[in-house]
Amino acid sequence: NAGVMQNPRHLVRRRGQEARLRCSPMKGHSHVYWYRQLPEEGLKFMVYLQKENIIDESGMPKERFSAEFPKEGPSILRIQQVVRGDSAAYFCASSATGISGANVLTFGAGSRLTVL
Amino acid sequence: KNEVEQSPQNLTAQEGEFITINCSYSVGISALHWLQQHPGGGIVSLFMLSSGKKKHGRLIATINIQEKHSSLHITASHPRDSAVYICAVPKTGNQFYFGTGTSLTVIP
Repeated sequence: NAGVMQNPRHLVRRRGQEARLRCSPMKGHSHVYWYRQLPEEGLKFMVYLQKENIIDESGMPKERFSAEFPKEGPSILRIQQVVRGDSAAYFCASSATGISGANVLTFGAGSRLTVL
Repeated sequence: KNEVEQSPQNLTAQEGEFITINCSYSVGISALHWLQQHPGGGIVSLFMLSSGKKKHGRLIATINIQEKHSSLHITASHPRDSAVYICAVPKTGNQFYFGTGTSLTVIP
């Protein structure tokens, strides 16, 4: 069981480019969460998805950010026209069911985005 | 005021010392999570507990639901325990309230 796999681990982009971060949940997990950790700050919720559905995107910036979790393949967090303020670590976590309640949440190792 | 408060924010200990990290929360919960973030950044879920006490090796987590307080203890601390320890509680909508973390450095 490979756990939650995120790639790339490190991504460098210039301002205005697009960043795509991928997350393959743990085997058997159908709930995916994306979090952002800005330098010197705690984890902040971005979006919660199940297969083919966005359940809660209340933590997503209104513009340039989108997420999907297709029927086949990994979940993708997409950032268009990146700016320096998007530089952060982006963590994905998965669970077998929703986290309301005592459900195990497994984190990936994170993807570090640096915007030059 | 944050829904989840951790203390201390930073902690330096000598190898072998007994360490306690505290977490207080102000919301009703069904379970509380302790996470460990290593200097490389990866996050590992250490414990999920809803009552009493859990133990994994040198790590012990306790929770008092009535007092809305949890503690993470490390016995016989080692430099490899150096990490940021984060307390998290679920909120409605499948999100978490996260504490800001406790940065632990264990000196040989």
